[in-house]
Amino acid sequence: EVQLVQSGAEVKKPGESLKISCQGSGYSFSSLWIAWVRQMPGKGLEYMGIIYPGDSDTRYSPSFQGQVTISVDKSIRTVYLQWSSLKASDTAMYYCARQGYYDALTGFQSWYFDLWGRGTLVTVSS
Amino acid sequence: NFMLTQPHSVSESPGKTVTISCTGSSGDIASNYVQWYQQRPGSAPTTVIYEDYRRPSGVPDRFSASIDSSSNSASLTISGLKTEDEADYYCQSYDSTNHDVVFGGGTKLTVL
Repeated sequence: EVQLVQSGAEVKKPGESLKISCQGSGYSFSSLWIAWVRQMPGKGLEYMGIIYPGDSDTRYSPSFQGQVTISVDKSIRTVYLQWSSLKASDTAMYYCARQGYYDALTGFQSWYFDLWGRGTLVTVSS
Repeated sequence: NFMLTQPHSVSESPGKTVTISCTGSSGDIASNYVQWYQQRPGSAPTTVIYEDYRRPSGVPDRFSASIDSSSNSASLTISGLKTEDEADYYCQSYDSTNHDVVFGGGTKLTVL
């Protein structure tokens, strides 16, 4: 089955670090970019950044640059989203999403997301 | 920065047709593809339209979309409304200037 499986909910204190994961299966994992999308409670979707598992090329939204780190371990088909020091404002649902089309030969990518994980709820509270 | 603006909410009766708009703040909305995602309460988003008008397999043809360059906007139209269509709908595109993916604020569709 083609799917993205995300790690479970987390409850953390401000200042703590955290790494959540998203494992792809059922498709050529290294061939399509995977993005992270934040959804704060009761709010809309916000794009955080994206990584290409094939060569770990990573691009961040200007809004999230320096705030989080996206990484990949393609040996276990897993993409990560990491914080070094959480804040209460990081409380949100985080989704990983697969980019729908990428041609590695030309570098062309179509900026839509065709497969989504179920989300990881991160709660940061003292 | 490029922004996409959607109405906060729309409502319509079952069997009717509803259209949700998505207006670009600047430039030409047609210069990058527009996508539409459906998010039912408590669930992850799913794609209902990609690359302006294409439907993923499994999405009924009651869902259609278009681009209007004259108003710099995109529209999602759902015909033959069903109660199961009640959800939040988000448009999304790409900001080539800032190399950023942009989502609209979302529209809550109520089918009553």
